[in-house]
Amino acid sequence: KAGVTQTPRYLIKTRGQQVTLSCSPISGHRSVSWYQQTPGQGLQFLFEYFSETQRNKGNFPGRFSGRQFSNSRSEMNVSTLELGDSALYLCASSLGGSSTDTQYFGPGTRLTVL
Amino acid sequence: GQNIDQPTEMTATEGAIVQINCTYQTSGFNGLFWYQQHAGEAPTFLSYNVLDGLEEKGRFSSFLSRSKGYSYLLLKELQMKDSASYLCAVREWDQGGKLIFGQGTELSVKP
Repeated sequence: KAGVTQTPRYLIKTRGQQVTLSCSPISGHRSVSWYQQTPGQGLQFLFEYFSETQRNKGNFPGRFSGRQFSNSRSEMNVSTLELGDSALYLCASSLGGSSTDTQYFGPGTRLTVL
Repeated sequence: GQNIDQPTEMTATEGAIVQINCTYQTSGFNGLFWYQQHAGEAPTFLSYNVLDGLEEKGRFSSFLSRSKGYSYLLLKELQMKDSASYLCAVREWDQGGKLIFGQGTELSVKP
């Protein structure tokens, strides 16, 4: 079974631009969560989607948004990029039906904002 | 509030045993996960504890004490490839798939 895939793997943008990241979960998984990883803050939860609905949201500004499609694939969008948005963005998928579900991570998208 | 603490760095010798501790304070505990992350790679799942006690999986074991808000990951027969960051993450009640991560412990295994 294929793992979680994320595209693109690397991105370079300039301040003020916007960016869209994509995540394809493991087949059969209905939950997709997004995390931001930086050296200073570690892994921080952005949001979770389950069956095309946002189920949970972290403490990030409204510039960060996401959505999930009927095939469980998810996209994350960041508008008006700031230098501080430079980070590794990880998505994780799980079956989603139980609180004991294990999340499996994709390889991440490395975003650099200049 | 939520708080998860782990040591920042640890060093151990190949073939030895190392214990990585994690303490947490959360509103409603609903499980603790350990992940391993090699530099430049995605975190990979190691273990899950929701009840008190020890879970053993090959060279890796994880322990949980809910009353103390404490967990540890035990790595036996250390190998050079075990050099990585080890992440402790907690799930809370009614928070769906959201995981709250500690800062991670960078383990260096020396020959």
